[in-house]
Amino acid sequence: EIVLTQSPATLSLSPGERATLSCRASQSVSNYLAWYQQKPGQAPRLLIYDASNRATGIPARFSGSGSGTDFTLTISGLEPEDFAVYYCQHRRNWPNTFGQGTRLE
Amino acid sequence: EVQLLQSGGGLVQPGGSLRLSCTASGFTFINYGMSWVRQDPGKGLQWVSSISGSGATTYYADSVKGRFTISRDNSKNTLYLEMNSLRAEDTAVFYCARHTSESFFVYWGQGTLVTVSS
Repeated sequence: EIVLTQSPATLSLSPGERATLSCRASQSVSNYLAWYQQKPGQAPRLLIYDASNRATGIPARFSGSGSGTDFTLTISGLEPEDFAVYYCQHRRNWPNTFGQGTRLE
Repeated sequence: EVQLLQSGGGLVQPGGSLRLSCTASGFTFINYGMSWVRQDPGKGLQWVSSISGSGATTYYADSVKGRFTISRDNSKNTLYLEMNSLRAEDTAVFYCARHTSESFFVYWGQGTLVTVSS
């Protein structure tokens, strides 16, 4: 099973600042990695797929990069609605595991 | 508009069974794989099970293998998760999700709470 480790666990920033979230895989997942955003009481929302492709309707301030074992989600110019929990997930093989999440506060 | 409407959660005793349903609309159901993802109270996301569009191929997390069965009825646009031998640690919100063509989870149901307790 591929383990995804996200860091930091909590990220404290202010609106307008830049957020950098990390996801590290225990073995290569190629570019088969996605990022999701989840707000309290809501289902997750797909932000980025295949490491760097924005999902439909996702603002351009969200960007993803990386390949192999190291990935980054960058949010440039935080908006108030961006404060949430972010998860990475791979689809390299089964099981498709998630990271433990980064809380952006 | 894509919609996934879930039903079937609730309170069940340890060792009991429950069936979750997820009825889809707004897209050609048979063309997409589907999955179940769970979230323990206050915790992160865990993939549970996936099924191909035809229903011919299924995958399970080790934690539910042999106890849970994923299935779909493409004539009813409905995904199911049959859960048997439920344990207290299965208490969670369960989400159904539709795959993208790349097999990520692009559309999600509203979630349904399963509570396993005596």
